[in-house]
Amino acid sequence: DAGVTQSPTHLIKTRGQQVTLRCSPKSGHDTVSWYQQALGQGPQFIFQYYEEEERQRGNFPDRFSGHQFPNYSSELNVNALLLGDSALYLCASSLDGGGAQPQHFGDGTRLSIL
Amino acid sequence: GENVEQHPSTLSVQEGDSAVIKCTYSDSASNYFPWYKQELGKRPQLIIDIRSNVGEKKDQRIAVTLNKTAKHFSLHITETQPEDSAVYFCAAYYSFGNEKLTFGTGTRLTIIP
Repeated sequence: DAGVTQSPTHLIKTRGQQVTLRCSPKSGHDTVSWYQQALGQGPQFIFQYYEEEERQRGNFPDRFSGHQFPNYSSELNVNALLLGDSALYLCASSLDGGGAQPQHFGDGTRLSIL
Repeated sequence: GENVEQHPSTLSVQEGDSAVIKCTYSDSASNYFPWYKQELGKRPQLIIDIRSNVGEKKDQRIAVTLNKTAKHFSLHITETQPEDSAVYFCAAYYSFGNEKLTFGTGTRLTIIP
């Protein structure tokens, strides 16, 4: 049973560039959430996708956008990269059941902005 | 919005002793409280969770307690082992309006052999 997988593992970009991160949810899961984890901090909620639509959003600017595909996989896009965007980006999947459901995380993508 | 505070930020205990990590949340509408363990360079791993209609839950050496009145919840690890060394995060799920999981700032637990 495949868990949550993310790609790429590491990524180096420069300021102003754009980046796309990818996530495949755990088998049987239909909901994908994205988090940003700065060094030494807890994960911060970016947004959640369900039925190919953004369902909830955290306090992140419009430079952060996403997409969910019919197979439930998801992408996170970040435009006009800033130095402060350097972080570990985590994807978590869950099964929608109305209300809170356990979320299972992938290994993340380490994004470094030069 | 929801705010989760976690204490202590670091904790060292002798192998075999117990460890307790405490969290408080701000919004009484939160109804789901998971705990995650994150080893260095690895993914956060769900180790135990509790819902607001339950006061305590136990899974082998790990237990979580919830006090809804005080808006406190705690993680208890008994008979600690070296492999328990990691960063532990608590979280609270706010389920009305902008539903989302809010994490605490983490506790670095070190088990001293």
